[in-house]
Amino acid sequence: EIVLTQSPGTLSLSPGERGTLFCRASQSVSNNYLSWYQQKPGQAPRLLIYAASTRATGIPDRFSGSGSGTDFTLTISRLEPEDFAVYYCQQYGSLPCTFGQGTKLDIK
Amino acid sequence: QVQLQESGPGLVKPSETLSLTCTVSGASINTYYWNWIRQPPGKGLEWIGVTHYSGTTNYNPSLKSRVTISLDMSKSQLSLKLISVSAADTAVYYCAANGDYWGQGTLVTVSS
Repeated sequence: EIVLTQSPGTLSLSPGERGTLFCRASQSVSNNYLSWYQQKPGQAPRLLIYAASTRATGIPDRFSGSGSGTDFTLTISRLEPEDFAVYYCQQYGSLPCTFGQGTKLDIK
Repeated sequence: QVQLQESGPGLVKPSETLSLTCTVSGASINTYYWNWIRQPPGKGLEWIGVTHYSGTTNYNPSLKSRVTISLDMSKSQLSLKLISVSAADTAVYYCAANGDYWGQGTLVTVSS
């Protein structure tokens, strides 16, 4: 199975700053089928990005995804207070689908 | 508006069977791939498996010997059965349509 490693484990930033989160796969993700999710305490994950770079419906354009093969990035251009949460990447190009361990984005 | 709602017992005894249902509204069962995902308290997400109305079903190899996922198209429901549970199966269980829509999740605790 494909192992996804997210970095950093925790990212401490201030509102208005730029956030960059990384996801590295142990082998190439087929068709770049990689998604990013945001999860807040007590809530289900919310889809932000699919197919590495396509924003899901209703997601603000400050969220962007990039990358291909084994290295992927989620960028939040200017952090809003509601963006502080845990972020997960998931690959669905090969079975079993797998998730990264998460990056916690907290307020500095 | 697509809505998913998980239901089932919140407490299951060790060695018994965990059974959950996900009721779908606002979407046709033959539109999406239907997933079950779980999250132990304070930990990350684990994909359990996926099914499609065409009959295709795939499971996480780590759970494959114990899990069954099925669809009841007449009721617009997705079901999960996990046999021989232990404390390690304590988690919030989510159903999801592709990755687009998720239920709110239901906590299942395995304890005597």
